[in-house]
Amino acid sequence: DAKTTQPPSMDCAEGRAANLPCNHSTISGNEYVYWYRQIHSQGPQYIIHGLKNNETNEMASLIITEDRKSSTLILPHATLRDTAVYYCIVRVIPYNAGKSTFGDGTTLTVKP
Amino acid sequence: EAQVTQNPRYLITVTGKKLTVTCSQNMNHEYMSWYRQDPGLGLRQIYYSMNVEVTDKGDVPEGYKVSRKEKRNFPLILESPSPNQTSLYFCASSPATRDRRGALHFGNGTRLTVT
Repeated sequence: DAKTTQPPSMDCAEGRAANLPCNHSTISGNEYVYWYRQIHSQGPQYIIHGLKNNETNEMASLIITEDRKSSTLILPHATLRDTAVYYCIVRVIPYNAGKSTFGDGTTLTVKP
Repeated sequence: EAQVTQNPRYLITVTGKKLTVTCSQNMNHEYMSWYRQDPGLGLRQIYYSMNVEVTDKGDVPEGYKVSRKEKRNFPLILESPSPNQTSLYFCASSPATRDRRGALHFGNGTRLTVT
């Protein structure tokens, strides 16, 4: 599985959009980009995923560059409860084959 | 309720005393995996299983064993625990599907301390 690189920390003002980048320059054609977040020491939660098109759901938007080497998770109106560690990973599906390697993630701090 | 259940949530043990952390999922998922999380090191994969009787090493398998005799269960076994295995452990599962359901579902974690 491809490795990902994320900035270790970011701050965002409450109510503003939080844009979290992820680099996955060695991504393969059959690998999807997944985003998760972890609040305190709870189990990580799924946020969104995509292959090559931009995606949006009730939690966030995912923008994937045309060459698929990087992506950005957008939380459109960040709240204090969005303070968490955000992980970007790449996985081969549909068969979920192989490793699912998480990097160190980005610690997002939303400030009042 | 669909969930991944780990037991115990907290465990304190001594060096060399064999222990098992259980993991069970009720979603009929094919894929299951164990991770450990240490301060500043993110989530590191220990072992994973793509289906019953199929297991493989992750990035940090040394000192651990797993088995997958039934689809729902994926226990993590520490035959001779050592202090460097003190960590927060997560079990996760996912189906082999293409959509959102392909996402990993995580348990609540097991905090292990080996003295």
